[in-house]
Amino acid sequence: DIQLTQSPSFLSASVGDRVTITCRASQGISSSLAWYQQKPGKAPKLLINAASTLQGGVPSRFSGSGSGTGFTLTISSLQPEDFAAYYCQQLYSYPLTFGQGTKLEIK
Amino acid sequence: QLQLQESGPGLVKPSETLSLTCTVSGGSISSKSYYWGWIRQTPGKGLEWIGTIYYSGTTYYNPSLKSRVTISVDTSKNQFSLRLSSVTAADSAVYFCVRRDYYDSRNGMDVWGQGTTVTVSS
Repeated sequence: DIQLTQSPSFLSASVGDRVTITCRASQGISSSLAWYQQKPGKAPKLLINAASTLQGGVPSRFSGSGSGTGFTLTISSLQPEDFAAYYCQQLYSYPLTFGQGTKLEIK
Repeated sequence: QLQLQESGPGLVKPSETLSLTCTVSGGSISSKSYYWGWIRQTPGKGLEWIGTIYYSGTTYYNPSLKSRVTISVDTSKNQFSLRLSSVTAADSAVYFCVRRDYYDSRNGMDVWGQGTTVTVSS
């Protein structure tokens, strides 16, 4: 199985900050990576496909980059509604796997 | 727009079979453009992919669950289902049904059900 390791696990930041979350794969997965946002009690919401393609309706302050084994999710200017948990997922091979998550909290 | 809705018992006894159904509304499960699947979430293990099915019936399962999992599709009812046998407390989780693009394997799950909580307990 392909392991995904996210860092940090917890992140404290303020409105307006630029934040970056990293996802590292245990083997190369090309650009087969998605990012999700999850708020308490809700289903995850797809933010980014293919490592860097913004899903329709997602604000442009979200961006993704990377390929191979290293990936990043960046939020350019945090808004109050962005405080949530974020997960990466690899779609390169079965079984599909997720990172352990990053919880983004208000400082 | 397309919506997914999970349904099924919220409480299952140990050693019994967990059965959930996902009803697709606002679109057809017979679309050639999508896979359908199940994901579960626990506080301890996080998000876990259970399996995926195509409208034709082709399935892919997580090897960690493969011996206990069956995913099936009922095109006449626009539904797909999950059966997980011989459950233990470790199978207690929030279960989500999801949709995924068939034609671009790099795309993630773009539609999720709201999730249903299943507790395994006697």
